[in-house]
Amino acid sequence: GIQVEQSPPDLILQEGANSTLRCNFSDSVNNLQWFHQNPWGQLINLFYIPSGTKQNGRLSATTVATERYSLLYISSSQTTDSGVYFCAVGGVSTSGTYKYIFGTGTRLKVLA
Amino acid sequence: DSGVTQTPKHLITATGQRVTLRCSPRSGDLSVYWYQQSLDQGLQFLIQYYNGEERAKGNILERFSAQQFPDLHSELNLSSLELGDSALYFCASSPEYTGELFFGEGSRLTVL
Repeated sequence: GIQVEQSPPDLILQEGANSTLRCNFSDSVNNLQWFHQNPWGQLINLFYIPSGTKQNGRLSATTVATERYSLLYISSSQTTDSGVYFCAVGGVSTSGTYKYIFGTGTRLKVLA
Repeated sequence: DSGVTQTPKHLITATGQRVTLRCSPRSGDLSVYWYQQSLDQGLQFLIQYYNGEERAKGNILERFSAQQFPDLHSELNLSSLELGDSALYFCASSPEYTGELFFGEGSRLTVL
């Protein structure tokens, strides 16, 4: 099956710093999403980005499907950015519906 | 608010007991996914339904079962509970054509 690796596993930043999180996957995929799990456990959709580049405020993401990786950029980080960032890749399964594999996440802590 | 509703938000029970977790997907979404997240772990896929039919199975224990009803809500039944079943249980739904996942807020189960 598809393998998903995220790096780095842990990251500590000072408020205001920028960071890049990476997601590598081992096979062709149809979908890719980035999620933020906040300290209260909620999973928040950041980007649905099978390919190309998207931006939303201080966050942006790029997926290069042909090279099997995606990057999540966080600029001017804030303490509220703390939490775990998950990458999930999806492909169409034999049943005709989407099947997702999650990476193990990058745990981010932003210090005030 | 993702539009996916999960109840209950918190549940405390004893070993050997049985519980039912409920999920209402976003309006129009036919697919429902269940995930388990143990403490400080990633998301483990349990099972997926599409329009009432089981479509994919992941690492779901035999003590666990699920179903999706005609109104598209889904229930995850956990029986003969063990301490190790304590976890966050997430439900997600997705629209048919994009497959983008939208998660509920999760049900936090504590087995004492």
